[in-house]
Amino acid sequence: GIQVEQSPPDLILQEGANSTLRCNFSDSVNNLQWFHQNPWGQLINLFYIPSGTKQNGRLSATTVATERYSLLYISSSQTTDSGVYFCAVAPNTGNQFYFGTGTSLTVIP
Amino acid sequence: DAGITQSPRYKITETGRQVTLMCHQTWSHSYMFWYRQDLGHGLRLIYYSAAADITDKGEVPDGYVVSRSKTENFPLTLESATRSQTSVYFCASSFHRAEAFFGQGTRLTVV
Repeated sequence: GIQVEQSPPDLILQEGANSTLRCNFSDSVNNLQWFHQNPWGQLINLFYIPSGTKQNGRLSATTVATERYSLLYISSSQTTDSGVYFCAVAPNTGNQFYFGTGTSLTVIP
Repeated sequence: DAGITQSPRYKITETGRQVTLMCHQTWSHSYMFWYRQDLGHGLRLIYYSAAADITDKGEVPDGYVVSRSKTENFPLTLESATRSQTSVYFCASSFHRAEAFFGQGTRLTVV
């Protein structure tokens, strides 16, 4: 199956700092999503972004499908941004999603 | 309530028992999925379904059974639970090649 790699695995930020999370994938995809798993375990949809760039408040994402990567930008981080960020992709050959192992973000006041 | 709901939220069962986790969605999404989440492995796909009466194996299907007699429901059954199946289970749904939405998760402990 398709391989999904996320980096960095762990990240500690001071409140107010900016960060970039990366997702690399091994094959062509027709779907890509970013999720935030909050400390209660809930998976929150951040972006549905198979290609292009989207912004939502302090967060933005860019997917370059031809080069097989996606980036999630977090600006002016807040303590509520803490949690694990997952990238999930669906290959062109199917609709099932494959997840990376996530980036664990801790934002300290 | 609209959306995707899982039940129960928490379950403790004994080794060898049969247990069924329920998933219900109100969007009439064609696709439904079951994942398990374990430390160090992220989320791994167990089974998925493209439509009623169509199911297929994912990455880790052994020890699990699914059915989909109605579009809105996708139960996951552990026929004889083992300790290695202790995990958090997530159900998700989507239209074809569209955004997927996840349930709140079911924390299953097998003792």
